[in-house]
Amino acid sequence: GAVVSQHPSRVICKSGTSVKIECRSLDFQATTMFWYRQFPKKSLMLMATSNEGSKATYEQGVEKDKFLINHASLTLSTLTVTSAHPEDSSFYICSARAQASGSSPYEQYFGPGTRLTVT
Amino acid sequence: AQSVTQLGSHVSVSEGALVLLRCNYSSSVPPYLFWYVQYPNQGLQLLLKYTSAATLVKGINDFEAEFKKSETSFHLTKPSAHMSDAAEYFCAVSDRQSSASKIIFGSGTRLSIRP
Repeated sequence: GAVVSQHPSRVICKSGTSVKIECRSLDFQATTMFWYRQFPKKSLMLMATSNEGSKATYEQGVEKDKFLINHASLTLSTLTVTSAHPEDSSFYICSARAQASGSSPYEQYFGPGTRLTVT
Repeated sequence: AQSVTQLGSHVSVSEGALVLLRCNYSSSVPPYLFWYVQYPNQGLQLLLKYTSAATLVKGINDFEAEFKKSETSFHLTKPSAHMSDAAEYFCAVSDRQSSASKIIFGSGTRLSIRP
């Protein structure tokens, strides 16, 4: 089955620094990738949608200058949290959609998540 | 716009009892519907999905859900709960008519299993 990986799985950084999280589709090409944020004991909130080779589309209320998304290839998207602050601490989950094929053209495959802690 | 509402943030059942997690959806177009499970500090695992074929959908670990258009519901059931079913469950919806669709999640239901 389709596998999505994230790196790192956990990261601790100091306030004011930037952190990059990678999301890779391992055995398929992902035309679209999604980034979600999950607060403790809360649901997943969609942050942005990125298509390979174009600018990401951010959901309302998400600061695009703070959460930089790059989708440089069909297998890699990155989320950079710039000038991180403690309130950015969260569980970040990426998701990838394969190119349309077969019976599940719109299925999204989820990565295992990255736990970010800003001290 | 699409959305899902999960009734009950916490459900507790005895081991061996029926599990019923409720989900109602709102969508102006025919939807795809999903149930995901999340164990502590882990990512999401797809339990099952409705993609306009059979209205009764069977998933992994004996879970199933029934799409009821008249009730705009997609409730998740399992005949007999196991201790290992304790987790957070999310109902989700996406627009199946658009290649630009995205999955929107409900608020989640925490399932606890009593010995």
